[in-house]
Amino acid sequence: SQQGEEDPQALSIQEGENATMNCSYKTSINNLQWYRQNSGRGLVHLILIRSNEREKHSGRLRVTLDTSKKSSSLLITASRAADTASYFCATDGGSNYKLTFGKGTLLTVNP
Amino acid sequence: DVKVTQSSRYLVKRTGEKVFLECVQDMDHENMFWYRQDPGLGLRLIYFSYDVKMKEKGDIPEGYSVSREKKERFSLILESASTNQTSMYLCASSPTKPSGSDTQYFGPGTRLTVL
Repeated sequence: SQQGEEDPQALSIQEGENATMNCSYKTSINNLQWYRQNSGRGLVHLILIRSNEREKHSGRLRVTLDTSKKSSSLLITASRAADTASYFCATDGGSNYKLTFGKGTLLTVNP
Repeated sequence: DVKVTQSSRYLVKRTGEKVFLECVQDMDHENMFWYRQDPGLGLRLIYFSYDVKMKEKGDIPEGYSVSREKKERFSLILESASTNQTSMYLCASSPTKPSGSDTQYFGPGTRLTVL
């Protein structure tokens, strides 16, 4: 069953602009994670936010989590062409092992 | 740095062949996972293992089996490959933490084509 769903499915912006992606999920979680995937490659972990956290920063990334709305957002500030990739949220649904991934947002940053 | 390697980047097999996909991790992680990724469907969990010789079915285990004889190695087996198993296969590993699921580290993927 699909736990996380990203929105929008695709996003195209100009270099220097900010990009915001959203994720909604259905059941309770221990944590929520965001991953990035360059075309044809494996996923790379970006950031993890725990259920008792509301906001987390890492470099140009800012993640928020609203457990009452079961939603999260990923903000990439001052985007670069190299940020072009697919971005996935993943939730654990309370599991100590498994993650369930959404279908991803394809971000294109135009130079 | 954690390294997860997969035996092949690209693989072409014929219908009915037995196919082995190998995954090795070098960080002594307890958990290992096999996913397949298809356009429009995202990543779907096939099987995972939380310890040597232990395995659990994921969301789409039909047509697949797995083997974990050593902690660092997790193999995915397609007993009789079919065309609908053409896909990108991703392996991942993660440590076990008491506070819930932790970061998963992914291999580069194997693009399997079954003719």
